[in-house]
Amino acid sequence: QVQLVQSGAEVKKPGSSVKVSCKASGLTFSNSDFGWVRQAPRQGLEWLGGIIPFLGRANYAQRFQGRVTITADESTSTVYMELSSLTSEDTAVYYCARGRLGVGVENLVDFDLWGQGTLVTVSS
Amino acid sequence: ETVLTQSPGTLSLSPGERASLSCRASQSVTSRLSWYQQKPGQAPRLLIYDASNRATGIPARFSGSGSGTDFTLTISALEPEDFAVYYCQQFSIWPLTFGGGTKVEIK
Repeated sequence: QVQLVQSGAEVKKPGSSVKVSCKASGLTFSNSDFGWVRQAPRQGLEWLGGIIPFLGRANYAQRFQGRVTITADESTSTVYMELSSLTSEDTAVYYCARGRLGVGVENLVDFDLWGQGTLVTVSS
Repeated sequence: ETVLTQSPGTLSLSPGERASLSCRASQSVTSRLSWYQQKPGQAPRLLIYDASNRATGIPARFSGSGSGTDFTLTISALEPEDFAVYYCQQFSIWPLTFGGGTKVEIK
């Protein structure tokens, strides 16, 4: 069964970091293009960045540069997204998603498979 | 970055009616535009890719059109399960971006 399964909900303090995992199964992991998209409460969708595992290099949206790190572990078919220096504005559901086209130049893809989402709550 | 403006913000219609949703890009994205449906508590679902192609398993009542800067998602006759929020997304110009969404609600 082709699916992306994300780690569970997190509650974090302001200033701390969070790391969310996304385990892929039933698909070709290494030459897929994985993106991370977040959705703040009652808001729209926002792309944080993406990675192609066999390249091992991630691209990040400019507003998250320096705060987000996306990595991939080919041995476990898992993609990770770590966001640091958290504030209350980072409270959101974070989704991983697979690019429909396989590998996209600079991670320019649309997404045909999504994880279930991980709620990250930042609160003191 | 490429701004996608969706209109209207909310569309109030009855089951069986036709829905037309607009997505306008701040610069040309050729045909590299997709549409998603999202229901409460669920992840987005790909409906239309490359402006006019239905994704796997998507009913024929959903159709997409347009290229360049102006795009339309049409639902020919709304079914009860179609009431949801719809987003467009461009993947032509880095960084990829999403529109703000159109909510289709029951009138």
